[in-house]
Amino acid sequence: AQSVTQPDIHITVSEGASLELRCNYSYGATPYLFWYVQSPGQGLQLLLKYFSGDTLVQGIKGFEAEFKRSQSSFNLRKPSVHWSDAAEYFCAVGADNNNDMRFGAGTRLTVKP
Amino acid sequence: NAGVMQNPRHLVRRRGQEARLRCSPMKGHSHVYWYRQLPEEGLKFMVYLQKENIIDESGMPKERFSAEFPKEGPSILRIQQVVRGDSAAYFCASSPNGADTQYFGPGTRLTVL
Repeated sequence: AQSVTQPDIHITVSEGASLELRCNYSYGATPYLFWYVQSPGQGLQLLLKYFSGDTLVQGIKGFEAEFKRSQSSFNLRKPSVHWSDAAEYFCAVGADNNNDMRFGAGTRLTVKP
Repeated sequence: NAGVMQNPRHLVRRRGQEARLRCSPMKGHSHVYWYRQLPEEGLKFMVYLQKENIIDESGMPKERFSAEFPKEGPSILRIQQVVRGDSAAYFCASSPNGADTQYFGPGTRLTVL
């Protein structure tokens, strides 16, 4: 079965600085990959997804992620972080039929003024 | 187009009582997924349903937990004889088919006293 690891539990960046959140997955075939964001007390909002095609994926709110098969990674990036980006970020991987989606434990982002 | 609806948003139960969590998928979506999020943890898959069918319940505890998605009405996650360890946020997601993006509801936060 597929699995996903988010190595960083908590990251703090200054407002305006660049951001990269790491995600590594384990799956034998081409995975479906997702990044979701969760604000406190809220549900999950989809930021972006990768199913196939261009390995650099653009999402909402200025986020992007790059699928690197050789590294089994799908890191999330943003060139300039805003205070409103403070939230919990979850990477997820789905199998061929996407029925069984597995989530990482999440990375909590704190943004310093 | 309304998103995924979950109710109640907050539910308090005493040990031994029953908890019923409801999920109305997005319009046109016939696939429903339930996840549980424990404090400081990521989401854990519980069950995947289509109308009137349970497709995958590999993440469901063997006892006390059940789920249904009737032909008419919302999907229900039912927890009988709740215990303190059931306290968590329960999220529902829906998709138009089994291979597409899952869209999440705001969650139901269950507290067992």
